[in-house]
Amino acid sequence: DAMVIQNPRYQVTQFGKPVTLSCSQTLNHNVMYWYQQKSSQAPKLLFHYYDKDFNNEADTPDNFQSRRPNTSFCFLDIRSPGLGDAAMYLCATSRDPKGDEQYFGPGTRLTVT
Amino acid sequence: KQEVTQIPAALSVPEGENLVLNCSFTDSAIYNLQWFRQDPGKGLTSLLLIQSSQREQTSGRLNASLDKSSGRSTLYIAASQPGDSATYLCAAYDRRGTNAGKSTFGDGTTLTVKP
Repeated sequence: DAMVIQNPRYQVTQFGKPVTLSCSQTLNHNVMYWYQQKSSQAPKLLFHYYDKDFNNEADTPDNFQSRRPNTSFCFLDIRSPGLGDAAMYLCATSRDPKGDEQYFGPGTRLTVT
Repeated sequence: KQEVTQIPAALSVPEGENLVLNCSFTDSAIYNLQWFRQDPGKGLTSLLLIQSSQREQTSGRLNASLDKSSGRSTLYIAASQPGDSATYLCAAYDRRGTNAGKSTFGDGTTLTVKP
């Protein structure tokens, strides 16, 4: 019973070619997060949605955008991927943003050629 | 700014051994601390969540403790098994300060349990 689903699991894109990663959840949680994780490093928060309210981290590049059309789905758009954007992208959810337990999806491994 | 450190970066133990993983944080005013497991190439699986008012949480062979005053949390794994081999990450959640409303993760400890 998958609760947080990410598609695709593996994505290869070309340098500069826009790419969209998808996340869906069956938990009906209010908050959805996007993290970037590079090899052997801690996950880095890019942004999160609390319902429809978008919260961007100060150091998230403008190249990264997000959309949340409804409670269940959230998308990560990378407008012009660079080689440095190759990473694991993790989606997570929680009921509220005030320290509730986070549930993660399996991640999407992005390769930029 | 909250900083979370996990030492050692890697740990190798024989099967059956009890072990402790360490997590240190610089700002003791955390709201909670969460331990995760990550298998290679996979997402994070939540193991235990300790609220700031609690001192420990237990789930099966896992026991997590929290000492806010010293800025430390430990994850104790009893009778380790090869299936426990994974990277273990801790994340401190802050409600105040420059990191308010977000979790700060450590880089993780990669555990290998040898049969």
